[in-house]
Amino acid sequence: EADIYQTPRYLVIGTGKKITLECSQTMGHDKMYWYQQDPGMELHLIHYSYGVNSTEKGDLSSESTVSRIRTEHFPLTLESARPSHTSQYLCASSGLLTGMGETQYFGPGTRLLVL
Amino acid sequence: GEDVEQSLFLSVREGDSSVINCTYTDSSSTYLYWYKQEPGAGLQLLTYIFSNMDMKQDQRLTVLLNKKDKHLSLRIADTQTGDSAIYFCADSRRGNLFFGTGTRLTVIP
Repeated sequence: EADIYQTPRYLVIGTGKKITLECSQTMGHDKMYWYQQDPGMELHLIHYSYGVNSTEKGDLSSESTVSRIRTEHFPLTLESARPSHTSQYLCASSGLLTGMGETQYFGPGTRLLVL
Repeated sequence: GEDVEQSLFLSVREGDSSVINCTYTDSSSTYLYWYKQEPGAGLQLLTYIFSNMDMKQDQRLTVLLNKKDKHLSLRIADTQTGDSAIYFCADSRRGNLFFGTGTRLTVIP
């Protein structure tokens, strides 16, 4: 069972507010990821990290930023939320497992609504 | 994303078999995965297959891999209403996973 947590699970916020979505994992995984998921289901990789002090942008351009100061923690920040940021945000982590490759484990997601 | 394709919808009757298909384009893929997403939840790893295998069975789940045609399928035997969800295939390349668009499976009682 994967031990990866996201808070909050749901967030309704007004335009222009600064928000931070939290993601933590207790599996000691080096790699962590943030995905944005459209209502139409498709997953888009927006950020990833190979380890402490490593952050990379994903395939989908995003106005959010991330940081990786500790192995277990990978928060995502939006400095000024807009309605176009309304989406579900999924955090994942991965480690190299014998015979399974680089399997990713997902948190429960944060559903963000910006009014 | 990045050339991993799935059909968007599938409906089956309870008790029938479901077959969800996926095609990918990169022959360097090493592992291929199936994930399940229930409403309001994250993705849950269902099963995986190494690229040098052509079949893997795990209880009601059977994964078939045709590496020549770059085609992956997930068969769910005796489909139950609890199997209703979105199913994503993913292939592993360059240290990352590339996900398909997801197939929404609806099980009709």
